[in-house]
Amino acid sequence: QVQLQESGPGLVKPSETLSLTCTVSGGSISSYYWSWIRQPAGKGLEWIGRIYTSGSTNYNPSLKSRVTMSVDTSKNQFSLKLSSVTAADTAVYYCARVGYSSSSKGRYYYYMDVWGKGTTVTVSS
Amino acid sequence: DIQLTQSPSFLSASVGDRVTITCRASQGISSYLAWYQQKPGKAPKLLIYAASTLQSGVPSRFSGSGSGTEFTLTISSLQPEDFATYYCQQLNSYSYTFGQGTKLEIK
Repeated sequence: QVQLQESGPGLVKPSETLSLTCTVSGGSISSYYWSWIRQPAGKGLEWIGRIYTSGSTNYNPSLKSRVTMSVDTSKNQFSLKLSSVTAADTAVYYCARVGYSSSSKGRYYYYMDVWGKGTTVTVSS
Repeated sequence: DIQLTQSPSFLSASVGDRVTITCRASQGISSYLAWYQQKPGKAPKLLIYAASTLQSGVPSRFSGSGSGTEFTLTISSLQPEDFATYYCQQLNSYSYTFGQGTKLEIK
């Protein structure tokens, strides 16, 4: 059973870079997209971006200028960097696997089927 | 960017009730829609994908329907453990988005 675990500093200073890692256990990181999602306290979910095991990425346009994702298949890990953080970046950060299912017509349907427990990141001096 | 609007934002219901949550997309997304349930302090849990396919292990009282721009999540008979917040998510484009959420509370 695949499990995900986020790790990284819980406190980041304004204007610095937030760095998180998600470790995949119980299965291979290969041949999937992997995503980061965040949720400010009391608010909804915000998709940050996704990365394929080849390193191909797609980011939320509203965060694109500050986001970098990477993958290390040898360690079964993928990572998130968010630069120039402000208090508005304070949130619970989740990593998730983007699962997929193919239809009889050859379409691929994606969904986030495995999630980490989340890690709280606070931006404060 | 594709925007998703859920309605209602808050829903008060009783155990045994049938409830429906709607998710509207700002442009057509075929059936590339998923539904999640989130309880306080927990990660979201996948309920339905491809608009109407029930994720393995999810009770059959949950069902999804719709395509294009309008989708619904229905819970046929509310159980105590169903009181939570529900989110729709589109996975049609290269930029996924979530709806703002529907909080389902006990009446």
